[in-house]
Amino acid sequence: AAGVIQSPRHLIKEKRETATLKCYPIPRHDTVYWYQQGPGQDPQFLISFYEKMQSDKGSIPDRFSAQQFSDYHSELNMSSLELGDSALYFCASSLGGRSFYEQYFGPGTRLTVT
Amino acid sequence: AQSVAQPEDQVNVAEGNPLTVKCTYSVSGNPYLFWYVQYPNRGLQFLLKYITGDNLVKGSYGFEAEFNKSQTSFHLKKPSALVSDSALYFCAVRDLNAGNNRKLIWGLGTSLAVNP
Repeated sequence: AAGVIQSPRHLIKEKRETATLKCYPIPRHDTVYWYQQGPGQDPQFLISFYEKMQSDKGSIPDRFSAQQFSDYHSELNMSSLELGDSALYFCASSLGGRSFYEQYFGPGTRLTVT
Repeated sequence: AQSVAQPEDQVNVAEGNPLTVKCTYSVSGNPYLFWYVQYPNRGLQFLLKYITGDNLVKGSYGFEAEFNKSQTSFHLKKPSALVSDSALYFCAVRDLNAGNNRKLIWGLGTSLAVNP
């Protein structure tokens, strides 16, 4: 079965640079979530989109922005990168407009800021 | 405020023994409860969920969880642990009465080590 695809899988950037992470949800899934996970930490919810509209906002810094496109894929844009942005970034997708569905996670993008 | 607590940072069990990973929650309304597992350098995988109905929920890889409303708990269990079960386990909750809020509230995770 198709899973959530994230690209790139690994990304190395320098401080103050920008980065764009991409997420392709499972086909027919209309909701996308972005999470940031530091080493040994729980996933921190950043932002989510339902039917191309922002649905929930978490601890996403103002330097970050995201959107969901007409084909339901999503991009997380990160600017003025800081060392502390180094983490695993997960995208998850789910189906439907109800809150009891489970989220399916992608493999993550490991961002290293040097 | 909504919250999830996983009181144990680490759980160690011997292979073949039963395992329990604890989770308690606090929400204002009725909870939707989830368990996810994360293997090293991998994304989270959905294990099971409680929405309504039978308090004992069965999930993937032989895991099950028991919803206890009076104790506001949703402990993850498995009758016989395998070494391959060693991973990080996350409990998560969503408040049913939170309208269109689809955000999950996550526990801090419990590292399960199954010893051969």
